[in-house]
Amino acid sequence: EADIYQTPRYLVIGTGKKITLECSQTMGHDKMYWYQQDPGMELHLIHYSYGVNSTEKGDLSSESTVSRIRTEHFPLTLESARPSHTSQYLCASSEQGISYEQYFGPGTRLTVT
Amino acid sequence: AQSVTQLDSHVSVSEGTPVLLRCNYSSSYSPSLFWYVQHPNKGLQLLLKYTSAATLVKGINGFEAEFKKSETSFHLTKPSAHMSDAAEYFCVVGAISGGYNKLIFGAGTRLAVHP
Repeated sequence: EADIYQTPRYLVIGTGKKITLECSQTMGHDKMYWYQQDPGMELHLIHYSYGVNSTEKGDLSSESTVSRIRTEHFPLTLESARPSHTSQYLCASSEQGISYEQYFGPGTRLTVT
Repeated sequence: AQSVTQLDSHVSVSEGTPVLLRCNYSSSYSPSLFWYVQHPNKGLQLLLKYTSAATLVKGINGFEAEFKKSETSFHLTKPSAHMSDAAEYFCVVGAISGGYNKLIFGAGTRLAVHP
């Protein structure tokens, strides 16, 4: 069964704090993605990775950074959180090719106060 | 360039009546098309996908979609709505951009199901 995990599910944090959102998948997928989704809106790609040591910026500019040291792990970091970072962050993974669907984690709902 | 347009931001139906969620796409090549569903406070789940095989695609939970190239449409249907179908639905097209594969999401359609 396809499994992709995100922690924490909910996070409320003060301005200026450093945070890391975790994402792990057990499917052995090379490709992983981070999306940002504001309430009631579509998803916007902010980062993606083709594999270990590969990271790229997505369509929507983001102050966050990502790393890919292991195939199964794709964490997202905000060095200094701001209220404008309040959003839902969704992680996904897929096989290569546009005909392959992406498998999504449950998301992390981040609130910066 | 690839894009999708979901024609309705909100759809409301009664339980037991048919569901129709409309999606038009734009693609410069044979598209890969998907429908995803998102329940409140949950991640996205794939309902079905079209990848140039049969034009009528059957998905999970009784949903299906028909690819119509002449109309550039990929509408999602279900014969009889259930209360548990209430959710946000996204029509998605696969694309190649800047040398990488990506998904382009529509704005979403919120489906409400009333008793």
